[in-house]
Amino acid sequence: DGGITQSPKYLFRKEGQNVTLSCEQNLNHDAMYWYRQDPGQGLRLIYYSQIVNDFQKGDIAEGYSVSREKKESFPLTVTSAQKNPTAFYLCASSTAMTRRTDTQYFGPGTRLTVL
Amino acid sequence: AQSVTQLGSHVSVSEGALVLLRCNYSSSVPPYLFWYVQYPNQGLQLLLKYTTGATLVKGINGFEAEFKKSETSFHLTKPSAHMSDAAEYFCAVIGGTSYGKLTFGQGTILTVHP
Repeated sequence: DGGITQSPKYLFRKEGQNVTLSCEQNLNHDAMYWYRQDPGQGLRLIYYSQIVNDFQKGDIAEGYSVSREKKESFPLTVTSAQKNPTAFYLCASSTAMTRRTDTQYFGPGTRLTVL
Repeated sequence: AQSVTQLGSHVSVSEGALVLLRCNYSSSVPPYLFWYVQYPNQGLQLLLKYTTGATLVKGINGFEAEFKKSETSFHLTKPSAHMSDAAEYFCAVIGGTSYGKLTFGQGTILTVHP
């Protein structure tokens, strides 16, 4: 079955540590996205990538980094510079970013808690 | 720039009652509008979307939404609520030149009472 996988489902981090969240898709989508979800705030875009080896900052990129070395994979690193990293992180993908009609499909999410 | 406002962070209905979740948007160009549903600790699932054409859009699980340009609204309805509809619902918009960049509302948590 095609879809998006995220791992791990739950992640605990000590303050000052970097952690990497995995996102893999087998939908053959060009575009991938990372969102952060906090209660009552909806989803906010962290980074997005339209194609391999290219990515752009979203609305709240500070304290995060990404890479896109393969079409299927778009890992997100939460660095120690992120002041309040405890949140639910969602990865999404779409066919492309050149058509506004394209649907974004979401993974199951990773819940990150800083101890 | 575009924005989305969902009126009511919590909505509570009885099983069998009408579900109405409100969404208003702002966009400088004709918007594309989406409704997603999220069950606890899960990702988002697309319920329906409006791009062009018919303003009444039918989605999965018996939900539908009507695009009203004059009211800048895209409210989500379901005639008869089921216990399994309990979830959080997000309205989202793509507007202007922000291709692929969804702007989400704050979400509405729907509770269904027996």
